[in-house]
Amino acid sequence: KAGVTQTPRYLIKTRGQQVTLSCSPISGHRSVSWYQQTPGQGLQFLFEYFSETQRNKGNFPGRFSGRQFSNSRSEMNVSTLELGDSALYLCASSPASQPYEQYFGPGTRLTVT
Amino acid sequence: ELKVEQNPLFLSMQEGKNYTIYCNYSTTSDRLYWYRQDPGKSLESLFVLLSNGAVKQEGRLMASLDTKARLSTLHITAAVHDLSATYFCAVRVHYGQNFVFGPGTRLSVLP
Repeated sequence: KAGVTQTPRYLIKTRGQQVTLSCSPISGHRSVSWYQQTPGQGLQFLFEYFSETQRNKGNFPGRFSGRQFSNSRSEMNVSTLELGDSALYLCASSPASQPYEQYFGPGTRLTVT
Repeated sequence: ELKVEQNPLFLSMQEGKNYTIYCNYSTTSDRLYWYRQDPGKSLESLFVLLSNGAVKQEGRLMASLDTKARLSTLHITAAVHDLSATYFCAVRVHYGQNFVFGPGTRLSVLP
């Protein structure tokens, strides 16, 4: 069974631009969560989607948004990029049968210059 | 607000030695997770501990959970270089709530 995939893997953007990251969960998984990882703040929860509905949201500004499609694929968008948004963005999916499990994708490394 | 702490944050140990990483959390939870992360890589799930007294072992790693003390331990037995990585614990208070991660313990196993 294929794992969680994230695209693109690496991205360089300029301050003020916007970016969209994509996550495809493991087949059959309906829950997708997003995390930001930085050296200073560590791993921080962004949001969680289940069946196209945002179920949970972390403490991030409104510039960070996401959505989930009917096929469970998810996207997150960051508008008006700031230097501090440079991070590894990780996506994780969970199966309905074992909602306490999380399977992480390889991440998208975003660099804002 | 749920807080998760780990200690030590950095650990340098010699091959063959034993050591323990501690994870404390501030709010009652009966689910605790341990992950491993290699440099530049994603997170690999090691253990999911679902109840008080749970103990799980995989190779040289053993994890335990004491929900009354709000403490989990990750014990390393006879460390080998391949165990060098950053280890995170994470807690989820209730289903439907997000995971909160500890700061991570960077482990270096020296020959």
